[in-house]
Amino acid sequence: QKEVEQNSGPLSVPEGAIASLNCTYSDRGSQSFFWYRQYSGKSPELIMFIYSNGDKEDGRFTAQLNKASQYVSLLIRDSQPSDSATYLCAVPHNDYKLSFGAGTTVTVRA
Amino acid sequence: DAGVIQSPRHEVTEMGQEVTLRCKPISGHDYLFWYRQTMMRGLELLIYFNNNVPIDDSGMPEDRFSAKMPNASFSTLKIQPSEPRDSAVYFCASNPGGPNYGYTFGSGTRLTVV
Repeated sequence: QKEVEQNSGPLSVPEGAIASLNCTYSDRGSQSFFWYRQYSGKSPELIMFIYSNGDKEDGRFTAQLNKASQYVSLLIRDSQPSDSATYLCAVPHNDYKLSFGAGTTVTVRA
Repeated sequence: DAGVIQSPRHEVTEMGQEVTLRCKPISGHDYLFWYRQTMMRGLELLIYFNNNVPIDDSGMPEDRFSAKMPNASFSTLKIQPSEPRDSAVYFCASNPGGPNYGYTFGSGTRLTVV
């Protein structure tokens, strides 16, 4: 089983819609969860982190965590063309290593 | 803060040559990580350091790869001899207190081995 798995993309949404990204992880002891955004040809950029079960909102982004189901998601509300990027889910594995999912590429259609 | 600084941004080299990638972490960050990103395998952790000491190098693909961190502000990743399958983007990242704080990535080095 992969340490971090993301729903396969690409995901295409119209401008103004909600983009929903999903991620599952294998290490039941993981305590923190991260979402990175990576534009084409650029480095990953941390956009959200969540530690507790439930929702965490930051602007148009909402992270949702369910530790019992080992599931974390990212919602992008009112999607904009500038949100078009690859979104990477990251989870610490064995306490020290941050393992990344393969990423979901999002395209926002104007 | 200038962030994590990597050099060079691009490197093209011939198979068999030695390649050295450089990284300057954010000042005060005790952890430094080297990742490799390819389309096929995504982001893979190669090695990480804590307080200049290598902690886990299990991701280093083979003996051709080596990494050093002689002081808190500088690290190198060396490939000798290089092979075409080493072509990838190599990222350096740092953080102040381990993985639970998230990482700040450098801009990466795009390596092409021909």
